[in-house]
Amino acid sequence: KAGVTQTPRYLIKTRGQQVTLSCSPISGHRSVSWYQQTPGQGLQFLFEYFSETQRNKGNFPGRFSGRQFSNSRSEMNVSTLELGDSALYLCASSLGGLAGVSSYEQYFGPGTRLTVT
Amino acid sequence: SQQGEEDPQALSIQEGENATMNCSYKTSINNLQWYRQNSGRGLVHLILIRSNEREKHSGRLRVTLDTSKKSSSLLITASRAADTASYFCAAYGSSNTGKLIFGQGTTLQVKP
Repeated sequence: KAGVTQTPRYLIKTRGQQVTLSCSPISGHRSVSWYQQTPGQGLQFLFEYFSETQRNKGNFPGRFSGRQFSNSRSEMNVSTLELGDSALYLCASSLGGLAGVSSYEQYFGPGTRLTVT
Repeated sequence: SQQGEEDPQALSIQEGENATMNCSYKTSINNLQWYRQNSGRGLVHLILIRSNEREKHSGRLRVTLDTSKKSSSLLITASRAADTASYFCAAYGSSNTGKLIFGQGTTLQVKP
């Protein structure tokens, strides 16, 4: 099976712009989660989607949003970029389930490195 | 808040030696997962140990879990230079939140 793929791998944006990142989960996985990794804060949970619905959300401002499509592919959007949004954004997929995802492994993609100048 | 906290933060060993990393967590868990991250890349899933398991093996990896002490350890035996990476433990904050909470990680350097 192909792993989790993320596009683009690298991105440079200017403050105030917006960006959209894409994630394709492992075939058959219906849960997609997003994480932000920075040297200062480490790995932090952004949100989780399951069957096109946002099921869980972390403590990030409303500038961070996401969605999931019927084929389980997911996108996240960051509007009005700030310098502090520079980070590695990781997507993870999981079998998940109606009862939740916490019994399942999460498999991560290679990440999108976003640099905001 | 961090669910997992790794110890030590950094570890440097010679090839062939064993490396042990410890993780402590705060709340009740369904399972605990260990990941490896090579510099600036994605996370590679190493192993998942469930709360009713005490020990699990995968190749050169051995993971233990002590729910009474809320701690886990990852042992890499006969380390190789290719094992150089950061290692993270992660657990779900509470059932069904879908939110994996990571520790700050242990950076392992294996010298050839």
